Amino acid sequence: DAKTTQPTSMDCAEGRAANLPCNHSTISGNEYVYWYRQIHSQGPQYIIHGLKNNETNEMASLIITEDRKSSTLILPHATLRDTAVYYCIVRNSGYSTLTFGKGTMLLVSP
Amino acid sequence: SAVISQKPSRDICQRGTSLTIQCQVDSQVTMMFWYRQQPGQSLTLIATANQGSEATYESGFVIDKFPISRPNLTFSTLTVSNMSPEDSSIYLCSVEDPRAEAFFGQGTRLTVV
Repeated sequence: DAKTTQPTSMDCAEGRAANLPCNHSTISGNEYVYWYRQIHSQGPQYIIHGLKNNETNEMASLIITEDRKSSTLILPHATLRDTAVYYCIVRNSGYSTLTFGKGTMLLVSP
Repeated sequence: SAVISQKPSRDICQRGTSLTIQCQVDSQVTMMFWYRQQPGQSLTLIATANQGSEATYESGFVIDKFPISRPNLTFSTLTVSNMSPEDSSIYLCSVEDPRAEAFFGQGTRLTVV
C-alpha cells in the first residue's frame, strides 16, 4: 500500500504557482519523499526528492515540514504542459521499489 | 539520466496468445523494473529483473504468466503469456540511476481482444 495521501485533483491557472500537498504521517527516519509526474500517454517522469531539507531544482521546489509528516511540491509558474498526474512517494534511498498511489490530477487552465 | 526504448509501443492481440515486450537502455544498469498500469489506474510493480539471476516477482504476479529475461545489463524482455482481455494495460519498463532517480520508458499499450 502507498504510504502517502494526496488530493484526487487540483486546478491551477496558467502562470500561477501550483502547490501540491502530500501527507506521509508514517514516514520513518531513513525514508525520502519523491515526486514523479505522468503526463497523459507517457511514462512517469522524475521531478524531485528530499529527506528533510527543502529542495529546489529547475522543475520544482519541495517543501518538507519539520516533523516530516507532510510536504508540498511547488511548480512556481505552471504551464499547460504541467497538466499531469503527480505522485508523491515515500521510500528508502537506494534500490528499494517505488509504490505508486493514485496521485493528484493537476489541471492547468488558460 | 537514462534513455529507455520500449518495443512495441502498442499492440492489439488475440486472447490466448503471448506478447514479448522489449526494453533497451542506453547505459548499463544493475536492476530493471517492470510495471503494469491498468486503464485509469496507477502503476503496479510486476517484478524486478537483475542481470544474471531470476526476476523477483511481486505478490499477485507469477513467472508462468509474466516470464522475464535479462540477458545483459542494457536489455530486458517481459512476456505476457496466454493473454486475456484483463491483461489489457500499459506495460512500462524502468531503471534507476545511482541517485535513486527512476526513469521510465514510454510504455507498451496492450489491448487484448
